[in-house]
Amino acid sequence: DSGVTQTPKHLITATGQRVTLRCSPRSGDLSVYWYQQSLDQGLQFLIQYYNGEERAKGNILERFSAQQFPDLHSELNLSSLELGDSALYFCASSPTHNEQFFGPGTRLTVL
Amino acid sequence: KNEVEQSPQNLTAQEGEFITINCSYSVGISALHWLQQHPGGGIVSLFMLSSGKKKHGRLIATINIQEKHSSLHITASHPRDSAVYICAVNHLGAARQLTFGSGTQLTVLP
Repeated sequence: DSGVTQTPKHLITATGQRVTLRCSPRSGDLSVYWYQQSLDQGLQFLIQYYNGEERAKGNILERFSAQQFPDLHSELNLSSLELGDSALYFCASSPTHNEQFFGPGTRLTVL
Repeated sequence: KNEVEQSPQNLTAQEGEFITINCSYSVGISALHWLQQHPGGGIVSLFMLSSGKKKHGRLIATINIQEKHSSLHITASHPRDSAVYICAVNHLGAARQLTFGSGTQLTVLP
């Protein structure tokens, strides 16, 4: 158990819908990273927050957004969902500049 | 060309064999990680390296910074080692986000 929690574990929804994925980092970790793992693209970095502020953006679509709250939990919002958004979404938290602890992931299925 | 290349993509071994998985990268990094992902999907961090060699049980990881290359070795492989092994690197810069290799699917047969 990494100490990082993600909810929900599984999510099934329809095209065009909007969902919110939640991540609670390890106690004391200020950094949260979001990653997407799809069958065709592998694992890709989406976005990083540090102590409530966006620090870096990767291959994140405009339909996706994220935020980190004062209690340091983070949410990833995915809207106007398409079939191709079906993937595993991981968050990771970091106590240092390099080390990252992964959550169990949320499996999103868009039908 | 991908920034992180892994080989082989698939590897089948007999129980007890010595296994090597290779990773090459083309960008400046602050650290390199070896991750393990089981069929259930969860990702476990095996090693984080910035130089030299680390050992944990039957697993050994090495990195050559000059050659931009890392290897993960598994000695006396066992069927429970069957998983996907992923190499990932922390980019230089403030964010230190990870860039991942495509993974190596390892199957160890009894």
